[in-house]
Amino acid sequence: GNSVTQMEGPVTLSEEAFLTINCTYTATGYPSLFWYVQYPGEGLQLLLKATKADDKGSNKGFEATYRKETTSFHLEKGSVQVSDSAVYFCALTPRAAGNKLTFGGGTRVLVKP
Amino acid sequence: NAGVTQTPKFRVLKTGQSMTLLCAQDMNHEYMYWYRQDPGMGLRLIHYSVGEGTTAKGEVPDGYNVSRLKKQNFLLGLESAAPSQTSVYFCASRGTGGMNTEAFFGQGTRLTVV
Repeated sequence: GNSVTQMEGPVTLSEEAFLTINCTYTATGYPSLFWYVQYPGEGLQLLLKATKADDKGSNKGFEATYRKETTSFHLEKGSVQVSDSAVYFCALTPRAAGNKLTFGGGTRVLVKP
Repeated sequence: NAGVTQTPKFRVLKTGQSMTLLCAQDMNHEYMYWYRQDPGMGLRLIHYSVGEGTTAKGEVPDGYNVSRLKKQNFLLGLESAAPSQTSVYFCASRGTGGMNTEAFFGQGTRLTVV
């Protein structure tokens, strides 16, 4: 079946530190991959996406590269801010079921000033 | 630009009571979803719909029912609430533009069953 595995949090960082959140997936074929972010008290919103191997998604200083060889989609940001404190979810839509969206467990990130 | 609206935002139920959560979207999306979010479990799909009049089971459908009588609304019902259904519930909608299409989420309903 389709599944997404993320590193468990919480991840606590100081402002301006480098952030990496690991995400690996299992899917039939080549899925589309997404990172969603949930700020405190809010619903999820799309952060970035990648639709084929070697694609790089980017937004708000965050980047993630679709790695088919390692079935990974790790999220990175070079210099985090306090406002980046949130829960981050990796997700996929499988090619064979374009209406499904499967999420990982989420990683809570706390950035301290 | 309301997007996806969930009502209510908070609710406390006694065990055995019933309730309905309403999700409304104004983006003319075909696909709608109900997820529950629990600590350490991420988002798990309860039920979903691929169009008006259709529903399908997700990963954790037991204890819930859904209806999609109108395209813009997706209702989630709990017939006899149990403490295990204490959770935060999110509704989402998505267009039919293919597997790359963004999903839009409501702000969630925090349900406590005592």
